Amino acid sequence: EAQVTQNPRYLITVTGKKLTVTCSQNMNHEYMSWYRQDPGLGLRQIYYSMNVEVTDKGDVPEGYKVSRKEKRNFPLILESPSPNQTSLYFCATCSLDRLNYGYTFGSGTRLTVV
Amino acid sequence: DAKTTQPPSMDCAEGRAANLPCNHSTISGNEYVYWYRQIHSQGPQYIIHGLKNNETNEMASLIITEDRKSSTLILPHATLRDTAVYYCIVRYLTNTGTASKLTFGTGTRLQVTL
Repeated sequence: EAQVTQNPRYLITVTGKKLTVTCSQNMNHEYMSWYRQDPGLGLRQIYYSMNVEVTDKGDVPEGYKVSRKEKRNFPLILESPSPNQTSLYFCATCSLDRLNYGYTFGSGTRLTVV
Repeated sequence: DAKTTQPPSMDCAEGRAANLPCNHSTISGNEYVYWYRQIHSQGPQYIIHGLKNNETNEMASLIITEDRKSSTLILPHATLRDTAVYYCIVRYLTNTGTASKLTFGTGTRLQVTL
């Protein structure tokens, strides 16, 4: 079954404690992206990757890092989380051969930074 | 990317057709109209997309006006499970395989009632 798997689903952490949210896909998609969703602001893109070792900033990259060492994984790293990074995070993937067929999203990670 | 305007909320009786409008008066020639929906806090789900012609799939129909300045998503027989936030997004695609990112607005909250 084609899927995008995010872990963890829920996370509560303290300010400054480094964390990683993982995203893995089994569809051999080249394109992967991270979004955050906040009330009243909709979904905003954080980072994206067009392929292995190719990453670029989205609209709200500050405070985040990503890496794309292999095609199936695109982890989101918060080196020093702060309370304003409390949000619902989504990973999305897409095949560049089928860009017009839209993105597949993961189930989300709800992060709380206290 | 062209900006879209959607009503913030709509109601629909179960079994009736839900018609969700979207205005995109500044859409350009190579921009497609996409529809996604988000049920509660799950990951957004692709529904349908189109360029000029009306489109239909197993989930919905998309009607695009001749001048392309507006469109309507039609769920022909709405059920309670269709209660969600529906996002209308315009996005360019080129035949060389590039595309703009998905930029989500605040969407229309559709409530399907008994």
